[in-house]
Amino acid sequence: SQQGEEDPQALSIQEGENATMNCSYKTSINNLQWYRQNSGRGLVHLILIRSNEREKHSGRLRVTLDTSKKSSSLLITASRAADTASYFCATDGNTGGFKTIFGAGTRLFVKA
Amino acid sequence: DGGITQSPKYLFRKEGQNVTLSCEQNLNHDAMYWYRQDPGQGLRLIYYSQIVNDFQKGDIAEGYSVSREKKESFPLTVTSAQKNPTAFYLCASSIGQGSNYGYTFGSGTRLTVV
Repeated sequence: SQQGEEDPQALSIQEGENATMNCSYKTSINNLQWYRQNSGRGLVHLILIRSNEREKHSGRLRVTLDTSKKSSSLLITASRAADTASYFCATDGNTGGFKTIFGAGTRLFVKA
Repeated sequence: DGGITQSPKYLFRKEGQNVTLSCEQNLNHDAMYWYRQDPGQGLRLIYYSQIVNDFQKGDIAEGYSVSREKKESFPLTVTSAQKNPTAFYLCASSIGQGSNYGYTFGSGTRLTVV
């Protein structure tokens, strides 16, 4: 079955630096979503990008989608200690909109 | 404020016991979901419901049961048939298809077998 796989598994950076996380998937998709999870909490929706879009921005977040490479990236600019969390990509494919596949996530640690 | 409330935050289950996790939403969302999260892994779908009085099995439904008697509520029962229930359980809801609009998640219930 298709699955979003994040890379790297873990990332440690200094405050103020940019953080880039990547997601690869196996089959064609309609949409791809990025979520954030603080330790022991639920997921928070960040951005949804559709298959006909190449880039979306939200504040310090920038998401790109390359359907030819079946990959997406999440860039967090000017990172802050509060950005420390796990970040997940989620894909739907064409299997029906009620079943979304979540990857294992990238754990980001931003050092103050 | 609108949102999803999961309770309890922590739950301990003895061997052979059934336990029920609560999930309530006041977002007027039609669809609700239960996911299981194990350490270092992504979320796996247990059950989902698109409308009241209807629900569908997800990828790991064995040992779990649900009901959807009200739009606002989607409780999950972890039965004694679930042999490895220790995990973090997340409830979510969406307007229509979550893959089209995104999901709103609760804060989770951490279930531990003692």
